Amino acid sequence: NAGVTQTPKFRVLKTGQSMTLLCAQDMNHEYMYWYRQDPGMGLRLIHYSVGEGTTAKGEVPDGYNVSRLKKQNFLLGLESAAPSQTSVYFCATKRSNQYNEQFFGPGTRLTVL
Amino acid sequence: KQEVTQIPAALSVPEGENLVLNCSFTDSAIYNLQWFRQDPGKGLTSLLLIQSSQREQTSGRLNASLDKSSGRSTLYIAASQPGDSATYLCAAHSGNTPLVFGKGTRLSVIA
Repeated sequence: NAGVTQTPKFRVLKTGQSMTLLCAQDMNHEYMYWYRQDPGMGLRLIHYSVGEGTTAKGEVPDGYNVSRLKKQNFLLGLESAAPSQTSVYFCATKRSNQYNEQFFGPGTRLTVL
Repeated sequence: KQEVTQIPAALSVPEGENLVLNCSFTDSAIYNLQWFRQDPGKGLTSLLLIQSSQREQTSGRLNASLDKSSGRSTLYIAASQPGDSATYLCAAHSGNTPLVFGKGTRLSVIA
């Protein structure tokens, strides 16, 4: 039972390049989230999904896109990376509703040069 | 809009001391409040989840309390150890919005 996994763990991009971060969960959770964490800014929600085929914008969605084609996977895409997107990205999941506990993945450290 | 504040931002205590970490939130109409621990370079680990109908939750040396009327939660750590050194974050869930996080308290337990 792996829980929440994130791929890759580290990545270095050049400005303008694109990439996709993968979040996978084996807990059959409905809700999935993407956050970024920056020093002094705390955790900020980028996008989230309340079920397969659904997505919604969070606090800082600009420059990112997401897809939830399968219940167990939540993808975060950067179409044209910018240095301001240098951050640590965390995925999180929750079983179904507001009463449930939220679980986090180990994170992806992204550097955009 | 829910706002969550954690004060102080950093705390240093000697080993063995009992300590309290504070979390305050602006919207008292919460469903629950969750405490997390984050070690440097790692993800967040869930410590305790307190539902709005509960006053406290306990896990080992940790005890979290919730007072909705005052908009406060505390995390009590008994007999602190160097291994407790980490950043502790609280997060509140209210309305139809996802969790709102505080910026955390960085705890150092000195041997």
